[in-house]
Amino acid sequence: GENVEQHPSTLSVQEGDSAVIKCTYSDSASNYFPWYKQELGKRPQLIIDIRSNVGEKKDQRIAVTLNKTAKHFSLHITETQPEDSAVYFCAARGGYGGSQGNLIFGKGTKLSVKP
Amino acid sequence: DSGVTQTPKHLITATGQRVTLRCSPRSGDLSVYWYQQSLDQGLQFLIHYYNGEERAKGNILERFSAQQFPDLHSELNLSSLELGDSALYFCASSVGGTGAYEQYFGPGTRLTVT
Repeated sequence: GENVEQHPSTLSVQEGDSAVIKCTYSDSASNYFPWYKQELGKRPQLIIDIRSNVGEKKDQRIAVTLNKTAKHFSLHITETQPEDSAVYFCAARGGYGGSQGNLIFGKGTKLSVKP
Repeated sequence: DSGVTQTPKHLITATGQRVTLRCSPRSGDLSVYWYQQSLDQGLQFLIHYYNGEERAKGNILERFSAQQFPDLHSELNLSSLELGDSALYFCASSVGGTGAYEQYFGPGTRLTVT
């Protein structure tokens, strides 16, 4: 089944710097890759997603890139702000087998933005 | 507010007991997914229902079961509870049943087993 690895597990940046979180997936049939932000004690919130027919997607300070050949995708946050501090999860929709059609999540990256 | 509701918010119970968690999806969504999030862990997919039918199972224990009712709300039943079952349980909903649609999460139920 699908396996998603996420790096780094923790990331600390200065306010205004950029942050990059990377994920790799194992199932070449995966075709949907969302990113979620989870603040302490709250629900995961979808912040951006990308489908396999697109290489890059941007939404203001957030962008996601997808490399299907290498089976990895990345989240880029520019001009980071303290309110960006949270745990970020990547996910991939499994293509075949037991995980077919369901999201498999990475273990998360705890981002800290220092003022 | 995602439009997904979950009750109760908190639940404290003893080992060996049984509890039921409830989830109401967003209006118009036919899919409900259940996830378990343990301390410092990611989101583990448990089970997916679409329009009343079970679509897929993930890492769900045999002590756990779920169902989706005709009004599309879903319940997750956890029995013979163990200390290790203490976790945040989230449900999420989406409009479609293939997993390629955006999933919106509820606020979660925090289960503490003592």
